[in-house]
Amino acid sequence: QVQLQESGPGLVKPSETLSLTCTVSGGSVSSFYWSWIRQPPGKGLEWIGYIYYSGRTNYNPSLKSRVTILVDTSKNQFSLRLSSVTAADTAVYYCARPAGALGSYTNWGQGALVTVSS
Amino acid sequence: QSVLTQPPSVSAAPGQKVTISCSGSISNIGNNYVSWYQQLPGTAPKLLIYDNDKRPSGIPDRFSGSKSGTSATLGITGLQTGDEADYYCGTWDSSLNAFYVFGTGTKVTVL
Repeated sequence: QVQLQESGPGLVKPSETLSLTCTVSGGSVSSFYWSWIRQPPGKGLEWIGYIYYSGRTNYNPSLKSRVTILVDTSKNQFSLRLSSVTAADTAVYYCARPAGALGSYTNWGQGALVTVSS
Repeated sequence: QSVLTQPPSVSAAPGQKVTISCSGSISNIGNNYVSWYQQLPGTAPKLLIYDNDKRPSGIPDRFSGSKSGTSATLGITGLQTGDEADYYCGTWDSSLNAFYVFGTGTKVTVL
């Protein structure tokens, strides 16, 4: 059973870059797709994007200009970078794995709260 | 930014049935499979239904899904207090590069 765990700073200053890492256990990042999804406090879910182990990415059009998702096969991790953050980027960030290119999200991390504040 | 519309809330007494609708368009629900996720308070979402009407192992048959045209529906029968949660539909949108979209979310309250 694949397990996912997010890690990274819980507080980021406005205009800086948010960086999170997802560590995968029970499976290899060298297969499948890997995603980031976020949820502002008290609000709904927003898909950020995915990366295929080969490095191919696809991002939410509304965030595309600020998002980078990378995969590190040597560490069995993938990461999220979101630049020029504002208070609107405050959210719980989940890493998740879809069951294929157009599949449902079968595995989720527990989530990491990131607050954007000076 | 959600492109899938759900009712904000539904409620019913224990043992009763509720249904949650999810309305989209041709580019998302109309041409792709729909999933449903349950999010209990303070936890990560959990897959409840995939490919419109299939249940992952361990999900009781009290939960059911269906799709017709550009809408989908989640049904919960024999409502239990443990079913109080937020429920989200989700699917891929194929309008440009395929990206995933979630519904606005529905809070289920057991009276």
